[in-house]
Amino acid sequence: EPEVTQTPSHQVTQMGQEVILRCVPISNHLYFYWYRQILGQKVEFLVSFYNNEISEKSEIFDDQFSVERPDGSNFTLKIRSTKLEDSAMYFCASSVAGGSGANVLTFGAGSRLTVL
Amino acid sequence: GQNIDQPTEMTATEGAIVQINCTYQTSGFNGLFWYQQHAGEAPTFLSYNVLDGLEEKGRFSSFLSRSKGYSYLLLKELQMKDSASYLCAVMDSNYQLIWGAGTKLIIKP
Repeated sequence: EPEVTQTPSHQVTQMGQEVILRCVPISNHLYFYWYRQILGQKVEFLVSFYNNEISEKSEIFDDQFSVERPDGSNFTLKIRSTKLEDSAMYFCASSVAGGSGANVLTFGAGSRLTVL
Repeated sequence: GQNIDQPTEMTATEGAIVQINCTYQTSGFNGLFWYQQHAGEAPTFLSYNVLDGLEEKGRFSSFLSRSKGYSYLLLKELQMKDSASYLCAVMDSNYQLIWGAGTKLIIKP
């Protein structure tokens, strides 16, 4: 079964450092997403990406965050200067369709970010 | 504002049936999803409802009433592996998923 793969599975970093989280979405999917989940809290939407540009972003996705699709397979989330409150599990997801109500997201296993 | 409400935690016995409720208030509606999330893992898709009524898929069923802003997930013949959080999510008029905080389901032998 096709799956979304994420690397690294766990990253520990110092406050103020830059972090890049990588995702390989399912190959025939066209819409890509980043979500985060702080331990014990709800899943929060960060950003959606389609046709090589951001289609939607939340209030959380401020100037310290950026996304990129550097090649035909990878989808990355960069956090420029990490803060303690960025510690969370970051999930990448992809879907075939984005504007359809029948859209089903397939999630990657997540990247746990710990900021010290 | 947009809001999804579901119970924080529920406990049930192996072999029994449990119903997890979800109520929502969103700006528009383009479907309701249920996802299962085991601790430390990614959410996995369980069901999708966009029309009123019951959708059955094996041991799991999901019901929707759009007029009441209400859904439930019904799990039958509970197994220990069903111990997980169950997330209700609604797709709003902008096709954004609004997530509930999840219901932690504890299964006891």
